Amino acid sequence: GAVVSQHPSWVICKSGTSVKIECRSLDFQATTMFWYRQFPKQSLMLMATSNEGSKATYEQGVEKDKFLINHASLTLSTLTVTSAHPEDSSFYICSARDPQGGPYEQYFGPGTRLTVT
Amino acid sequence: AQSVTQLDSHVSVSEGTPVLLRCNYSSSYSPSLFWYVQHPNKGLQLLLKYTSAATLVKGINGFEAEFKKSETSFHLTKPSAHMSDAAEYFCVVTLSWGGATNKLIFGTGTLLAVQP
Repeated sequence: GAVVSQHPSWVICKSGTSVKIECRSLDFQATTMFWYRQFPKQSLMLMATSNEGSKATYEQGVEKDKFLINHASLTLSTLTVTSAHPEDSSFYICSARDPQGGPYEQYFGPGTRLTVT
Repeated sequence: AQSVTQLDSHVSVSEGTPVLLRCNYSSSYSPSLFWYVQHPNKGLQLLLKYTSAATLVKGINGFEAEFKKSETSFHLTKPSAHMSDAAEYFCVVTLSWGGATNKLIFGTGTLLAVQP
């Protein structure tokens, strides 16, 4: 089946620094990837939709200058949290659409837990 | 606008007994609905999906769900719980009109505990 990986799985950074999270589709080419955020004991909230070779589309209320998304290849999308603050601490999950699969299916990565101290 | 409501944040069952996880949806259009499962430290896995075909949908690991338009429900069931079913379950509706980019709207999740 389609596999999506994320790196790192867990990261701690200091307030004011930036951290990059990678999302890779391992066995398929993903023209579209999605980034979600999940707070403890809460649901996943879509942050942005990333299309290969074009600018990401951000959901309302998500700061595009703070959460930089790059989808430079068909197998890699990155999320950079710039000038991180403790309130950015969360679980970040990416997903990817396999164009060869069903129109509604997204394959999810295992997530990255970010802690900002 | 589309939304889903998972009526129970926690459900506890004994191993071998039936599982019922409840989900109600709201949609201005004919929805596509999904159930995903999230095990600790693992990515979300698709259990099953309804996309306007048969209203009774069978998924993996013995789970099934029935789309009931009159009740705007899509409850997840399993006849006999297994210890490995303990996980977080999310009911999801699409925000889509058949386009290539399909946004998923997640419910708040139901944590299923299975007692031995």
